[in-house]
Amino acid sequence: QKEVEQDPGPLSVPEGAIVSLNCTYSNSAFQYFMWYRQYSRKGPELLMYTYSSGNKEDGRFTAQVDKSSKYISLFIRDSQPSDSATYLCATLTDSWGKLQFGAGTQVVVTP
Amino acid sequence: GAVVSQHPSRVICKSGTSVKIECRSLDFQATTMFWYRQFPKKSLMLMATSNEGSKATYEQGVEKDKFLINHASLTLSTLTVTSAHPEDSSFYICSARDRASGTEQFFGPGTRLTVL
Repeated sequence: QKEVEQDPGPLSVPEGAIVSLNCTYSNSAFQYFMWYRQYSRKGPELLMYTYSSGNKEDGRFTAQVDKSSKYISLFIRDSQPSDSATYLCATLTDSWGKLQFGAGTQVVVTP
Repeated sequence: GAVVSQHPSRVICKSGTSVKIECRSLDFQATTMFWYRQFPKKSLMLMATSNEGSKATYEQGVEKDKFLINHASLTLSTLTVTSAHPEDSSFYICSARDRASGTEQFFGPGTRLTVL
């Protein structure tokens, strides 16, 4: 069983719609959760990180963690074509900073 | 935000040659750097963890004699792919952990290696 599961998509939405992305994880000891955005042929860019359960909002982005169900989500409001990218969830698995990534979901926002 | 650079961004080499990829943290000190490999339309696969001044820790299944990692300073780590073969062709990405902020990790732009 993979430690972090994520549907690879692709997920296609019209411009202005809400993009909803999800991951599940297996180890209840995980505390830090990240969302990265990766454009084609580029390195990942950190969008948001959250600690433990709860919500965190930054502009059009909202990250949610539900530790009871081991479920993490990212919502993108008012999506734009420039949001078209692959979104990767990740969890911090040890004190050295080792990350475990999900498969990444490809998002396409159509004008 | 913190900046991590990689050099070269793209390299094409003949089978049997060795290739060195540099990863630098430009505006912060990185106690730990990580090296990943990514295949097309796939996620990042951690290859090794590199701590300044000590030997790298390799993930299971990664050949340490094949992928030599040196973390010479708090701002520089290098990955050398020795005797490269076509199956080593991939996108290699490094990341650096900011000593000051602790948990945050910043990624380089990646290096595309093509072995002919």
